[in-house]
Amino acid sequence: GQQVMQIPQYQHVQEGEDFTTYCNSSTTLSNIQWYKQRPGGHPVFLIQLVKSGEVKKQKRLTFQFGEAKKNSSLHITATQTTDVGTYFCAGPNSGAGSYQLTFGKGTKLSVIP
Amino acid sequence: SAVISQKPSRDICQRGTSLTIQCQVDSQVTMMFWYRQQPGQSLTLIATANQGSEATYESGFVIDKFPISRPNLTFSTLTVSNMSPEDSSIYLCSVGGRRDTNYGYTFGSGTRLTVV
Repeated sequence: GQQVMQIPQYQHVQEGEDFTTYCNSSTTLSNIQWYKQRPGGHPVFLIQLVKSGEVKKQKRLTFQFGEAKKNSSLHITATQTTDVGTYFCAGPNSGAGSYQLTFGKGTKLSVIP
Repeated sequence: SAVISQKPSRDICQRGTSLTIQCQVDSQVTMMFWYRQQPGQSLTLIATANQGSEATYESGFVIDKFPISRPNLTFSTLTVSNMSPEDSSIYLCSVGGRRDTNYGYTFGSGTRLTVV
């Protein structure tokens, strides 16, 4: 079955440093989504990328979708303590019109003030 | 985006018993999804609940253990049956994939289950 791999598993950064998490799929994806889960909370949708090579920005967050549509990254510039949480990528399951998502294992971000 | 009310938020249950988790959505949705998230781990899809038909279960999950009801387009329940400590986890329902939410999925607040 489809696998979505995400690295690193953990990242500890000093406040103000940058952070990047990477996501790789075993298959070509029609789209990829990113979620953030705060400690004790539930996943919250951040963004969806659809086009090959697409780059989207949300304030300090930059999302990229690879040219082959098999990898993606999330980059946070100048991290803040509010960025703490686990970031998940997710891709739709294989098969036309699939609505089910396969989640990566997530990257847990800790920010040291 | 849709608002989901999920309950209970947490429970501690004796092994061998069953717990039913409810999710109420503030709008009609065709599909609802049930996930399990073990502590510090990722989300694993248990099943997809469609109104008017049997739920579709993912590999490793069976209806006898996780029966699902979907009586209408705004409500679903997941039952964790004959619980063992290995069932201790967070259970989440989810809806989404619609254009009005930029195709993102909305999650309920989760049910934190501890089996003792």
